[in-house]
Amino acid sequence: EAQVTQNPRYLITVTGKKLTVTCSQNMNHEYMSWYRQDPGLGLRQIYYSMNVEVTDKGDVPEGYKVSRKEKRNFPLILESPSPNQTSLYFCASSLSRTRGGLTDTQYFGPGTRLTVL
Amino acid sequence: AQSVSQHNHHVILSEAASLELGCNYSYGGTVNLFWYVQYPGQHLQLLLKYFSGDPLVKGIKGFEAEFIKSKFSFNLRKPSVQWSDTAEYFCAVQGTGGFKTIFGAGTRLFVKA
Repeated sequence: EAQVTQNPRYLITVTGKKLTVTCSQNMNHEYMSWYRQDPGLGLRQIYYSMNVEVTDKGDVPEGYKVSRKEKRNFPLILESPSPNQTSLYFCASSLSRTRGGLTDTQYFGPGTRLTVL
Repeated sequence: AQSVSQHNHHVILSEAASLELGCNYSYGGTVNLFWYVQYPGQHLQLLLKYFSGDPLVKGIKGFEAEFIKSKFSFNLRKPSVQWSDTAEYFCAVQGTGGFKTIFGAGTRLFVKA
């Protein structure tokens, strides 16, 4: 089954404790992206990746890191989480052309609800 | 600045009522447009999309949307809603040839049985 998976689905942590949220897709998509969803703000893009080893900042990258060492995986790293990073996080993937942009819709993972105390 | 504006944050309708959700965007250049739906407790799913061609696009579950370029709008419509349409709806825009996606703040629809 074609899907985007995220782990963990729920996480409660404390300020400053490094964490990683994993994202994996089995559709051989070049493009992957991370979003956070907050009430009244919709989804805001954190980082995206056009292909292996190619990443770029979205609208709210502060406090986050990403890496794309393999095509199927795109982990989101919070080096020193803070309470304002409490949110619902979604990973997404899509077909794309490296220099030509997205060519299809995005497929979203089930979300990771993060609480930072 | 690039932005997407959804006019209604909350909409309450009775079953069989008609639905129209507004979406306006501000984005330089040509765009791809999307409506996504998020049912309670679930992840986002695509309702419909516009890349080019006929500005009236039809999606799943009887939804349709019309791209009006002169108004920078992409409103979502459904002639007769059902209780199962209760969800949050997001409009999104991508610059053609680009990789960033801008989402609206979402509209929560509640359909009374």
